[in-house]
Amino acid sequence: EIVLTQSPGTLSLSPGERATLSCRATQSVSSSYLAWYQQKPGQAPRLLIYDASSRATGIPDRFSGSGSGTDFTLIISRLEPEDFAVYYCQQYGSSPRTFGQGTKLEIK
Amino acid sequence: EVQLVESGGGLVQPGRSLRLSCAASGFTFDDYAMHWVRQAPGKGLEWVSGISWNGNTIDCADSVKGRFTISRDSAKNSLYLQMNSLRAEDTAFYYCAKDLVELGVARGAFDIWGQGTMVTVSS
Repeated sequence: EIVLTQSPGTLSLSPGERATLSCRATQSVSSSYLAWYQQKPGQAPRLLIYDASSRATGIPDRFSGSGSGTDFTLIISRLEPEDFAVYYCQQYGSSPRTFGQGTKLEIK
Repeated sequence: EVQLVESGGGLVQPGRSLRLSCAASGFTFDDYAMHWVRQAPGKGLEWVSGISWNGNTIDCADSVKGRFTISRDSAKNSLYLQMNSLRAEDTAFYYCAKDLVELGVARGAFDIWGQGTMVTVSS
């Protein structure tokens, strides 16, 4: 099983700042099958990025993903108030399709 | 509108069974793999089980293997999760999710999620 470790656990930033979230895998993620999701309280997760760097439909271009192998990054270039949430990475290249433990992005 | 609506959650005693349903609309259900993902209260996401677009391939997490069974009914555009021998640690919100990629041409992320149904296992 591929274990995903996200860092930091909590990130405190202000609107307008840049956020950098990390996701590290214990084994290489096949074909860069790595996704990022955003979850707000009381809501279902929302797909932001798939295949490591492709933005999902309707996702603003301030969200970008990069990486390959075992190291992946989600960058939010300029934080908007609605971006403060919990972010999860997920690998779907091998079974089981594991998630990271999440990074909480909070307002400073 | 593409939509997934879960139902069937509730309070159940340990050792008992429950069947979750997920009604799909707004897309060609038969063309996409489907999954169940759960989230214990205040915790992260855990993939539970997935089924291919044609139902021929099924997979599940070790934590539910031998107890949970995923299935789909194309006539009803519905996904199911039969949960047997429930344990306290199965208490969670259960989401159904649609695979991004059609017809299994590649593995896909989960692009559409339902709002979830809560399962509480307690005596």
